Amino acid sequence: GQNIDQPTEMTATEGAIVQINCTYQTSGFNGLFWYQQHAGEAPTFLSYNVLDGLEEKGRFSSFLSRSKGYSYLLLKELQMKDSASYLCAVSDSNYQLIWGAGTKLIIKP
Amino acid sequence: GAVVSQHPSRVICKSGTSVKIECRSLDFQATTMFWYRQFPKQSLMLMATSNEGSKATYEQGVEKDKFLINHASLTLSTLTVTSAHPEDSSFYICSARDGRGDNNEQFFGPGTRLTVL
Repeated sequence: GQNIDQPTEMTATEGAIVQINCTYQTSGFNGLFWYQQHAGEAPTFLSYNVLDGLEEKGRFSSFLSRSKGYSYLLLKELQMKDSASYLCAVSDSNYQLIWGAGTKLIIKP
Repeated sequence: GAVVSQHPSRVICKSGTSVKIECRSLDFQATTMFWYRQFPKQSLMLMATSNEGSKATYEQGVEKDKFLINHASLTLSTLTVTSAHPEDSSFYICSARDGRGDNNEQFFGPGTRLTVL
């Protein structure tokens, strides 16, 4: 079956760095997405990885290892507004997104 | 970036009525649109995938006669919840993909919160 695993909840301090991991097992792979979702709102796109390595975009970076079925989202210089759920999703062989359950990130002052 | 609108943003209806939700891609042509449902504190659940001009493909467990999807043009898809019941209360989100480029990114609408009394 297809499976995406990510931690349910994480807590970090304002100004610090946090890494959210995602492991996946899917039928085919056409890229991995990270989305941010605030409560009561639709997801917003953060990053896309299809090749191995690190993609950096401002305070956010995303890493992919296809051989290990592993990705992480790195958030630097955390701000209170970063408190949200972070969703890992893999595009499978049919280009459908397989979603993880999301990681709720709590930022404390 | 690409923009997807969804209307209405919030709807409250009586049990037994039907509700139509519209999803529009505003600045690109969406060859494929997706409809998701999300219950509180849960991840997105794909309900169906629709390609313009063809019948939608429903996920297992989703009743196609209850959740009617029409993708009549490259910029509009509608989801009609027929004979809604309280258990249909949820957050419904559409997304659209234009098929161009390499990343197959899905652009999400803002969502519709449906409450069935």
